[in-house]
Amino acid sequence: SQQGEEDPQALSIQEGENATMNCSYKTSINNLQWYRQNSGRGLVHLILIRSNEREKHSGRLRVTLDTSKKSSSLLITASRAADTASYFCATDHTGNQFYFGTGTSLTVIP
Amino acid sequence: EAGVTQSPTHLIKTRGQQATLRCSPISGHTSVYWYQQALGLGLQFLLWYDEGEERNRGNFPPRFSGRQFPNYSSELNVNALELEDSALYLCASSLALLAGGPDTQYFGPGTRLTVL
Repeated sequence: SQQGEEDPQALSIQEGENATMNCSYKTSINNLQWYRQNSGRGLVHLILIRSNEREKHSGRLRVTLDTSKKSSSLLITASRAADTASYFCATDHTGNQFYFGTGTSLTVIP
Repeated sequence: EAGVTQSPTHLIKTRGQQATLRCSPISGHTSVYWYQQALGLGLQFLLWYDEGEERNRGNFPPRFSGRQFPNYSSELNVNALELEDSALYLCASSLALLAGGPDTQYFGPGTRLTVL
């Protein structure tokens, strides 16, 4: 399967701490994207990183990509209760189809 | 700018019936994607439409079908519903396919289909 796999499956942290989640994939990609989903609702796009990029920032989010290890990480700094959600990575291998993993469930405790 | 909209929000059907789900993409987006998110599973790619044509489909039986209209809105039809079709169905839209890959997909809120 080309689906990305997120790790850990679930993460629980205190407000103010940093949260790190990882995504691994199996075949080469065009780009990788991270999405957030709140309580079984639609997905919100967070950040896109292309295969020739190694790191991107957006506000409190930092994404890294290591194509040699076929992995990416999403770091959320200074977490807030509102960050509680499921986070998915989506890999684009062929330019027209995204593969999603099963997600990391993040709980931020106030 | 309005986002991707989907209707209905919830849909309850019985086994064997047909379900029709609708999606309106962001203005200017020509590509529409459908995904199924069953309980406890990740998003599974269903269908991709661009410029009115089906470009790709995931590993789903033929009773999952759809179409894209001239205004780029889309319908997903599920025939002969089975219990395991109960899921959240998400629609996403993006700009036209660009060299090197599609642009970011923007997701709608989803339609929750329950099959009894």
